Amino acid sequence: DIQMTQSPSSLSASVGDRVTITCRASQGITNDLGWYQQKPGKAPQRLIYAASSLQSGVPSRFSGSRSGTEFTLTISSLQPEDFATYYCLQHNSYPYTFGQGTKLEIK
Amino acid sequence: EVQLVESGGGLVKPGGSLRLSCAASGFTFSNYGMNWVRQAPGKGLEWVSFITTSSGYIHYADSVKGRFTMSRDNAKNSLYLQMDNLRAEDTAVYYCARHLKLDVWGQGTTVTVSS
Repeated sequence: DIQMTQSPSSLSASVGDRVTITCRASQGITNDLGWYQQKPGKAPQRLIYAASSLQSGVPSRFSGSRSGTEFTLTISSLQPEDFATYYCLQHNSYPYTFGQGTKLEIK
Repeated sequence: EVQLVESGGGLVKPGGSLRLSCAASGFTFSNYGMNWVRQAPGKGLEWVSFITTSSGYIHYADSVKGRFTMSRDNAKNSLYLQMDNLRAEDTAVYYCARHLKLDVWGQGTTVTVSS
């Protein structure tokens, strides 16, 4: 199985900050990675697909990148509505696997 | 509007069974593979299973293999998860999600396994 190691597990930041969340795959997954945002009591929503493509309707302050087996989600300027939990997901091979999640909290 | 609506969750005793449903609308259901994903209380997301458009291939997580059966009815635009021999650790919110890239998710249905 492919392991997705996500870091950090939690992060405190302020409105306007730039934040970065990382997922490292245990083996190559090409660009078969998505990033999801989940708010309490709600279903996850996809932000990024194919490692770096922005989902329609998602603000441009969200971006994704890839370097080998390391994937990064960047929020360029945090807004109040961005405080949530973020997950990466690899869909390159079964079983699909999620990162452990990053809880983004207000400082 | 693309929509997925799960139903069928509830309270069940260990060893019991439950059948979840996911009703799809706003898109051509038969053109998409579908997934089930679950989330235990206070925990992260866990992929459960995937089914291809014609049900030709179905993949399961090891944690549910042999106990859960995923199926679909393209004529009814519906997805199902038959869960047998349920355990306490199956307690979770269960989501259906569209496409092998999980682009759209339902709102979830809660399954509680407890005596």
